[in-house]
Amino acid sequence: AQSVAQPEDQVNVAEGNPLTVKCTYSVSGNPYLFWYVQYPNRGLQFLLKYITGDNLVKGSYGFEAEFNKSQTSFHLKKPSALVSDSALYFCAVRDVRDTGRRALTFGSGTRLQVQP
Amino acid sequence: EPEVTQTPSHQVTQMGQEVILRCVPISNHLYFYWYRQILGQKVEFLVSFYNNEISEKSEIFDDQFSVERPDGSNFTLKIRSTKLEDSAMYFCASSDGLSSYEQYFGPGTRLTVT
Repeated sequence: AQSVAQPEDQVNVAEGNPLTVKCTYSVSGNPYLFWYVQYPNRGLQFLLKYITGDNLVKGSYGFEAEFNKSQTSFHLKKPSALVSDSALYFCAVRDVRDTGRRALTFGSGTRLQVQP
Repeated sequence: EPEVTQTPSHQVTQMGQEVILRCVPISNHLYFYWYRQILGQKVEFLVSFYNNEISEKSEIFDDQFSVERPDGSNFTLKIRSTKLEDSAMYFCASSDGLSSYEQYFGPGTRLTVT
């Protein structure tokens, strides 16, 4: 069974500072990994994905994430946080090996609060 | 930019009533999904649909749930006899199933069962 852990319920960071939102995963084979963001009363917006190749992936709004196979992690990062980045962030995983299964398994979410 | 749309945005129903939640996936996408998010909890997979049949479902998706693609654009989730615990945000998603792997989510329907 696949699972995702987001160990922090909330991350607080000052505007202009770098931010990191942590995610670790567990799958039987290799993972497809995703980050989504949810603003209040909105759906989930796709930010970025890791499928294969370069371990550092870049996505929307200046976000990036680093895939670390040995630590089974996929932390979301941004060099300089904006107040408008304040939202709920979800990490999700899908097992590459199980081609018949496309369901995403989500973490519990991390609320990012960027203070002015 | 194409997007997934869902109607209604909010549905209030009484326990035991049937509800139908509607979604219009992105037009060239082949895979369709329903997820739900109970308030304060994680997003959970319900069902995926491909080539006019269910391709995968979770243990949550029991006999009271059904999905249908009644025409070339709509994708619906029916809950036959709603229970209080069905109160949640229901998200529809779609993916092209080809070169990209991400799923695109609609804004959700908030279902309140009273």
